Amino acid sequence: GDSVTQMEGPVTLSEEAFLTINCTYTATGYPSLFWYVQYPGEGLQLLLKATKADDKGSNKGFEATYRKETTSFHLEKGSVQVSDSAVYFCAVVDNDMRFGAGTRLTVKP
Amino acid sequence: DAGVTQSPTHLIKTRGQHVTLRCSPISGHKSVSWYQQVLGQGPQFIFQYYEKEERGRGNFPDRFSARQFPNYSSELNVNALLLGDSALYLCASSLVGEGNTIYFGEGSWLTVV
Repeated sequence: GDSVTQMEGPVTLSEEAFLTINCTYTATGYPSLFWYVQYPGEGLQLLLKATKADDKGSNKGFEATYRKETTSFHLEKGSVQVSDSAVYFCAVVDNDMRFGAGTRLTVKP
Repeated sequence: DAGVTQSPTHLIKTRGQHVTLRCSPISGHKSVSWYQQVLGQGPQFIFQYYEKEERGRGNFPDRFSARQFPNYSSELNVNALLLGDSALYLCASSLVGEGNTIYFGEGSWLTVV
């Protein structure tokens, strides 16, 4: 079945540093790919998505490109802020939605 | 517009008891799905309902059941609670045709003691 492998955390960065969180997936069909963010004590919020190969999802300075050849959907941000501290989940939807284990990001001032 | 709403937000149950969690989808969304998120892990798919019919089921025991009502709201029921059922239970709704995007509620925190 479908599965998602995410870069293990936790990740700690200084403010304005560059962020990459790796995500690779396995799927039998042509899935849609998502990044969700979870702030402490809250549910999951959609951050960005891509529905076909070579699509780039972007939101709030975050970007991820659907790479079918490498089955990847890495999350990047050029300059992180303290407010970006959260847990980030990569997810793949084919028949149902499968999530990665999550990567905790802490940004220090 | 209201997002996905869930109730209760927090609850504590004793082993062996039964629990019912409720979810109202975003207006116009006909698909509802349920996820279990154990502390420190990603959400695990439990059920999906569309137009009041079960369309998918994850790898959970028969103690877990769900249903969807004519107004598209949904209930998740768990019988014979175990300590390991302690988790955040997330409901999500989606609009068919929107690239499979699902929107989550804030979740129901269940603690089994």
